[in-house]
Amino acid sequence: VQVLQSGAEVKEPGESLKISCKGSGYTFTNYWIAWVRQMPGKGLEWMGIIYPGTSETRYSPSFQGQVTVSVDKSINTAYLQWSSLKASDTAIYFCAKTSGYYYSFDSWGQGTLVTVSS
Amino acid sequence: DIQLTQSPSFLSASVGDVVTITCRASQDINSYLAWYQQKPGKAPQLLIHAASSLQSGVPSRFSGSGSGTEFTLTISSLQPEDLATYYCQRLNSFPLTFGGGTRVEIK
Repeated sequence: VQVLQSGAEVKEPGESLKISCKGSGYTFTNYWIAWVRQMPGKGLEWMGIIYPGTSETRYSPSFQGQVTVSVDKSINTAYLQWSSLKASDTAIYFCAKTSGYYYSFDSWGQGTLVTVSS
Repeated sequence: DIQLTQSPSFLSASVGDVVTITCRASQDINSYLAWYQQKPGKAPQLLIHAASSLQSGVPSRFSGSGSGTEFTLTISSLQPEDLATYYCQRLNSFPLTFGGGTRVEIK
């Protein structure tokens, strides 16, 4: 089982961005994929989650309207995207796969560092 | 929304010590709690789910207990490789929530 994320990004404020998370070694459509933010030196924040089998998506109230979570199950890949980045979006973003026991996460991606700076 | 409060936020202990971290929920969450370990520069790793069930491959010195609103993660004999930040997480409904984290330092 592996969850592999796309590489680091450096963007300017106002730009758009889409980062990816590819699952392998398991039935991708049967497990939720979540996105978690970690700002520099800070803790973990749950952003949103998607079920690849149906594309059902749920968001944290803190991130609703700020990001979009999507999936392409034909290539076992989930996405997190922004339409207009801000400097405060600078963080590491992790994706994680649920374990099968409620919404615990047993496989995590390596993290994608997003830096937003002019 | 249900909040998770961890204590302490930082602790320093010696190799071989018993270490206890507490996670308190603002409402009853039954046993729907997980614990994670995040080593510096790495992704989190699931240690315990369902409050007390050890994830496969996790050393037996880690244990979890509690239900309702108060939960505990215990390391029975602290090892140098346990240098990390530990997080609790609510499991059963949205919004999913993490605790603020407890950083464990080795003296």
